[in-house]
Amino acid sequence: DAGVIQSPRHEVTEMGQEVTLRCKPISGHNSLFWYRQTMMRGLELLIYFNNNVPIDDSGMPEDRFSAKMPNASFSTLKIQPSEPRDSAVYFCASTIGGGELFFGEGSRLTVL
Amino acid sequence: SQQGEEDPQALSIQEGENATMNCSYKTSINNLQWYRQNSGRGLVHLILIRSNEREKHSGRLRVTLDTSKKSSSLLITASRAADTASYFCATDALASGSRLTFGEGTQLTVNP
Repeated sequence: DAGVIQSPRHEVTEMGQEVTLRCKPISGHNSLFWYRQTMMRGLELLIYFNNNVPIDDSGMPEDRFSAKMPNASFSTLKIQPSEPRDSAVYFCASTIGGGELFFGEGSRLTVL
Repeated sequence: SQQGEEDPQALSIQEGENATMNCSYKTSINNLQWYRQNSGRGLVHLILIRSNEREKHSGRLRVTLDTSKKSSSLLITASRAADTASYFCATDALASGSRLTFGEGTQLTVNP
């Protein structure tokens, strides 16, 4: 299996622009998580899906952030409009039946 | 606030020595996991210990769990330069719906 695939790996954008991060979970996994990692705040859970349904989005910082999972093999995290404080590494992870999380390599976002 | 807190924040040892990292958490848990993150990469699962287990081994890794003290330790024996990475504990709190909360991590440097 190719593992969890995230794109883009790096994105540099200007404040106010829309950013879309993409994730393909491991085939057969039924839960998908979006995390954000910064030096200041560490790893924060933004949102997670179970069987494509959002279960807990309490970690989404504000309305500028939205996430979708239209099917079992694809999820997006969108930031609109982006701000410099959104600069971070965004990780997607998937699992089946709880337990071990499999992480992607992350999307490093820089908002100028 | 983070559920798990690791200490030390940073640890520097010589190759061949043992490395011990500690994790404390606040609420009752289903299980506790340890992950490793190489610089610029995603997190990789190392080991999971359930709340009814006290010790678990995997290769050069030994994990202990003390639910009465709400603490865990990760021991890496006979360390190698390739063990240099950040190590995170993550807890799956009771009634959390499988969401994992990560600590801030310990940066381990193994000098050749």
